[in-house]
Amino acid sequence: ETGVTQTPRHLVMGMTNKKSLKCEQHLGHNAMYWYKQSAKKPLELMFVYNFKEQTENNSVPSRFSPECPNSSHLFLHLHTLQPEDSALYLCASSQEYFQISGNTIYFGEGSWLTVV
Amino acid sequence: QKEVEQNSGPLSVPEGAIASLNCTYSDRGSQSFFWYRQYSGKSPELIMSIYSNGDKEDGRFTAQLNKASQYVSLLIRDSQPSDSATYLCAVNYSRTGNQFYFGTGTSLTVIP
Repeated sequence: ETGVTQTPRHLVMGMTNKKSLKCEQHLGHNAMYWYKQSAKKPLELMFVYNFKEQTENNSVPSRFSPECPNSSHLFLHLHTLQPEDSALYLCASSQEYFQISGNTIYFGEGSWLTVV
Repeated sequence: QKEVEQNSGPLSVPEGAIASLNCTYSDRGSQSFFWYRQYSGKSPELIMSIYSNGDKEDGRFTAQLNKASQYVSLLIRDSQPSDSATYLCAVNYSRTGNQFYFGTGTSLTVIP
């Protein structure tokens, strides 16, 4: 069993649809992240939650809406997406966000999103 | 602007050889350095972390850090076909939070 699980693994949605990605971590961590991975680009940090509070929003369009009901669960709500939003969306967790050193980030298996 | 640069490759080495992967970073405030391996269609998997100058060895993997030159590398000894993957360099700049900055990755192919 992986420490960070994501569902669904694959999602195809139309531009007018509303869908959600779900992430759950079983590592007892307090920080959770959403990253976007597109071909030929570095991993892009989208959102960070630390102890359920959003601490980072890297200028992400409002058609992506995160939700963190508790330290173990993270959602990414999707609505009116564009084809260029098609990518691998990775959830990750770490012990804390403001830890000075020794902080390692662990990824889930990712959700492949295709917007048609 | 905090940047992490990697040669995208592809890098091809014969089985049993040493694979050398390199990474440079722009911000001298960076404090922690990581190498992730990502198989095609899979998520990144942590394989090495290094925090201080010098070498750190773990099995067939050796990470090397030179903060003065802002350079971190990964050596894979006795390369195996199962090492074929994309290797991501990540740099952690912790001054304002646990921000991880990733390179674009180097694609490694180990030829049997």
